[in-house]
Amino acid sequence: DAGVIQSPRHEVTEMGQEVTLRCKPISGHDYLFWYRQTMMRGLELLIYFNNNVPIDDSGMPEDRFSAKMPNASFSTLKIQPSEPRDSAVYFCASSLEPGQPQHFGDGTRLSIL
Amino acid sequence: AQSVTQLDSQVPVFEEAPVELRCNYSSSVSVYLFWYVQYPNQGLQLLLKYLSGSTLVKGINGFEAEFNKSQTSFHLRKPSVHISDTAEYFCAVSRSSGNTPLVFGKGTRLSVIA
Repeated sequence: DAGVIQSPRHEVTEMGQEVTLRCKPISGHDYLFWYRQTMMRGLELLIYFNNNVPIDDSGMPEDRFSAKMPNASFSTLKIQPSEPRDSAVYFCASSLEPGQPQHFGDGTRLSIL
Repeated sequence: AQSVTQLDSQVPVFEEAPVELRCNYSSSVSVYLFWYVQYPNQGLQLLLKYLSGSTLVKGINGFEAEFNKSQTSFHLRKPSVHISDTAEYFCAVSRSSGNTPLVFGKGTRLSVIA
């Protein structure tokens, strides 16, 4: 059984560049979540989707952040333009229902220089 | 809204000693409760969950947790830890109606000392 797949695992780029993080959820899971994890703020929910539709994006920090889910098997999180304070580990997770156990990917470690 | 408090940010413990990681939650409605573990450079993995039924829940790797409704707690325990248990542990809560996402605590770093 394939789990949640994220790419890339690591990304290092210069500030001002566009960054795109990708996620493939577990097949059949209707809910997809994007999280950001930092030492200072812990694990933060950025946005989540139900059946490809964004339900709550109140955790998205700024307009520089955007997320899409064009189909049931793929989602992207974009940061444009990127800033050093965006450096963090970004996780994608999926679940059958929002309150049920979520399955996490291994994350993308993002470093903005 | 639900909230979770993990009372200890770091817990050092010697190998083969017992450990308890504390979690308290706040909610005006009935809840589901979860413990996740995060090893270095990995995502979060589900250790155990309480949805209903017996208040003592057993999970993977010898961990267990007890749901205490009167004390609004869901503490995680293991009778004898191993070096490999060194990780970050997260408690999470959701409404039992299931229509809102999990709310995570800030995590407890368990360090097992040889």
